[in-house]
Amino acid sequence: KAGVTQTPRYLIKTRGQQVTLSCSPISGHRSVSWYQQTPGQGLQFLFEYFSETQRNKGNFPGRFSGRQFSNSRSEMNVSTLELGDSALYLCASSPNRGGRETQYFGPGTRLLVL
Amino acid sequence: EDQVTQSPEALRLQEGESSSLNCSYTVSGLRGLFWYRQDPGKGPEFLFTLYSAGEEKEKERLKATLTKKESFLHITAPKPEDSATYLCAFFITGDSGYALNFGKGTSLLVTP
Repeated sequence: KAGVTQTPRYLIKTRGQQVTLSCSPISGHRSVSWYQQTPGQGLQFLFEYFSETQRNKGNFPGRFSGRQFSNSRSEMNVSTLELGDSALYLCASSPNRGGRETQYFGPGTRLLVL
Repeated sequence: EDQVTQSPEALRLQEGESSSLNCSYTVSGLRGLFWYRQDPGKGPEFLFTLYSAGEEKEKERLKATLTKKESFLHITAPKPEDSATYLCAFFITGDSGYALNFGKGTSLLVTP
């Protein structure tokens, strides 16, 4: 079974631009979560989508948004990019929601904001 | 407040030198504690899930254990290919759902 895929793998943007990242979950998985990873803060939860609805949101500004499609694929968008948004953005999928579900991660998208 | 702390931050071992990584947590209603391995520039790779105190799981040279306050990842006779960052995490309950709360990780280097 194919794993979680993320595109693009690398991205360079300038301050003020916006960016859209894509995630395809493992086949049959319906929950998709997004995380930001930086050297200083580690892995931080952004949001979770299930059945095309945002179910949970981390402590990030409104510039960070996302959506999920009927086939469970998900996108996240960051508007008005800031230098501090440079990070590895990770997508994870699980079969369902809940606190006992294992999340499987994709390879990530490395975003550099100049 | 739910918290997870990993120690040490970094660990250097010689090949064959066994050791343990620690993950201590304070959380009400633990629903599962997860261990992941992350190689540089890659996404975390799932290793183990532990649900209740006293539970143990093994995979090759790795063994994870769980008590009421902490989890250990024991590495027996490590090899250079075990070099990676090891992350532990547990689910926290938000206003409307669950999210994985990660520790900062232990960076392990195994030298030949």
